[in-house]
Amino acid sequence: QQQVRQSPQSLTVWEGGTTVLTCSYEDSTFNYFPWYQQFPGEGPALLISILSVSDKKEDGRFTTFFNKREKKLSLHIIDSQPGDSATYFCAASAGSNNRIFFGDGTQLVVKP
Amino acid sequence: EAAVTQSPRNKVTVTGGNVTLSCRQTNSHNYMYWYRQDTGHGLRLIHYSYGAGNLQIGDVPDGYKATRTTQEDFFLLLELASPSQTSLYFCASAGGNTEVFFGKGTRLTVV
Repeated sequence: QQQVRQSPQSLTVWEGGTTVLTCSYEDSTFNYFPWYQQFPGEGPALLISILSVSDKKEDGRFTTFFNKREKKLSLHIIDSQPGDSATYFCAASAGSNNRIFFGDGTQLVVKP
Repeated sequence: EAAVTQSPRNKVTVTGGNVTLSCRQTNSHNYMYWYRQDTGHGLRLIHYSYGAGNLQIGDVPDGYKATRTTQEDFFLLLELASPSQTSLYFCASAGGNTEVFFGKGTRLTVV
């Protein structure tokens, strides 16, 4: 059973638009939810993360939202730029010393 | 910045061949991981380790062996490579703060 489900699989937005990626998870013990960004030819790198005690975290144009009741999280990118074109992975874990589970990724293309 | 170095970056081998992928991290992280990445499947965990000499089975371990010789070094072994193992392989490490640091990947082609 997949622990973290991510949608959509791929997404194209216009420059300046808002991108919304969503994930859902199964395990109620998960309390740490990072998002990773991967550019072609590179490994994934941490973009932003949120703990289950919060419902929102912002870092510049990137905001992640967390809904504990619905077991859902999302990543919003405002004023999307062509340089944001990448694959985005949501992930979840039960904290340090626990395995992290990744979603299948969303391939984002931002068109100028 | 945590550093995870993989070698080789590209490898072509024949079906039935023997392949070793190497990974070294220099950040004293306890946890090391091997993932494969395929279109439509995201990152799938093959094997992982909590420390030197420790090995844990991931979600797609069939056809792979791993060995953690030191805290820094983690190897992935394919003893009878098959075309289904053609993939992009990532090594990663993590310390106690949960952030996972990935290498740049090894592209393996089995012909």
